[in-house]
Order: sequence, then structure tokens, then C-alpha cells
Amino acid sequence: DAGITQSPRHKVTETGTPVTLRCHQTENHRYMYWYRQDPGHGLRLIHYSYGVKDTDKGEVSDGYSVSRSKTEDFLLTLESATSSQTSVYFCAISELFRDKGKYGYTFGSGTRLTVV
Amino acid sequence: GENVEQHPSTLSVQEGDSAVIKCTYSDSASNYFPWYKQELGKRPQLIIDIRSNVGEKKDQRIAVTLNKTAKHFSLHITETQPEDSAVYFCAASPGSYKLIFGSGTRLLVRP
Repeated sequence: DAGITQSPRHKVTETGTPVTLRCHQTENHRYMYWYRQDPGHGLRLIHYSYGVKDTDKGEVSDGYSVSRSKTEDFLLTLESATSSQTSVYFCAISELFRDKGKYGYTFGSGTRLTVV
Repeated sequence: GENVEQHPSTLSVQEGDSAVIKCTYSDSASNYFPWYKQELGKRPQLIIDIRSNVGEKKDQRIAVTLNKTAKHFSLHITETQPEDSAVYFCAASPGSYKLIFGSGTRLLVRP
């Protein structure tokens, strides 16, 4: 397992305020991802990173920015939070599952964000 | 970009029956198709995957089939058990190690 942690686990914030979510991994994985999960929409890719300072947009990137200044940390920022950004946010890394001999995603525990 | 559609959105089966979940994808360049299971309040976890050079793969009670021509793939669970109750997500990888997920299927196995 990648030792992937997300913080905070829960957050309530007001509309219009900036919010930063953190994803931290301990095993030097190159690829990291941010998804949001909403009922009826499954998991939608927001942004992803393929190395330090190397990021790209996903399916639903509007209103979000990311930064990766160190291999182990991938930050997601909501510049000015809106109620439509109320969601559960999952970070993920791509890793080799040695016991299964294949690559896959390992997800963090998620951050439940409520914008009021 | 890649678009993945998943059906049904909810599925209820009797314990011991089979369950089938179907997905279609749009990008013919996609070559990797994993399935994830998410139990209530937990993170999604990889349960099985298939690559584009394989038509079928089995792992105990779970199997996945892929039809590249038709651009669809399916998850089959046999002899369902109450612990199979969860939300299942299909996904397709159009490259760059990205995964595009379907909208999920909530499976309920009735004892």
C-alpha cells in the first residue's frame, strides 16, 4: 500500500473562501490524482500530476487548481468555494501491486467538503 | 475525451444469484479497464482488471469480459453473497495513467 493520507478528513467552509486539500504519499510514486465523488456521477477526475511541477487538467477542472512542489505532496485548491463544490474528494496514486503483479490506483480515505 | 457509461445504476439480486454490470467506452485508444468496489463510507478498491489484448479474465467468483469492437466490457459476479453489496465502478484508461470512471452501480444482495 502507498501510505497515502488526505487532510483534512472533513471541512465546512463558506461560499467565496479559498480551500486547500492535501494529499500526502510516502513511497515516491510519480502519478497522483484528484477526483470528486458525487451521487449519480461516480468519480470524476479534476487534475492529475505526473511529476514535480508537472500537472494537467481532468474532466472537471474549472474552479480548481493544483500544485506539486514535492513528490510526496499534491495539493488541491478551490480558489473561491461554491456550493456546487460540496463533494467528497479522493486523492489517488498509481502503483504496482506486487502481490498481484499489476498496476492500479490506491485511493486515500477521502475529504468530505461542505460549502455553505 | 474518453466517456464511460455504466448500467444499471442500481441492481438487486437474491443471494446465490449472478449479477452483471455493463459499461461502454468511447475512446478506441483506451487499453486498460479496471473495476473498483466501494463499500459504504470507504475508499474504492481495485477488484479486477482487463487489458485490451484479452477477452476475458476470471478471479474466483468474479469475471470481466471485453469486446473491443463494440467498445463494451462487463463485470460478472456469480454466487453472490451479502458481502458483495457495495457500489461498483468501471473505468477506462485513455493513456497517461489516467482513469475515467463510470457513474457506478449500487449492488444489493438480499439474504
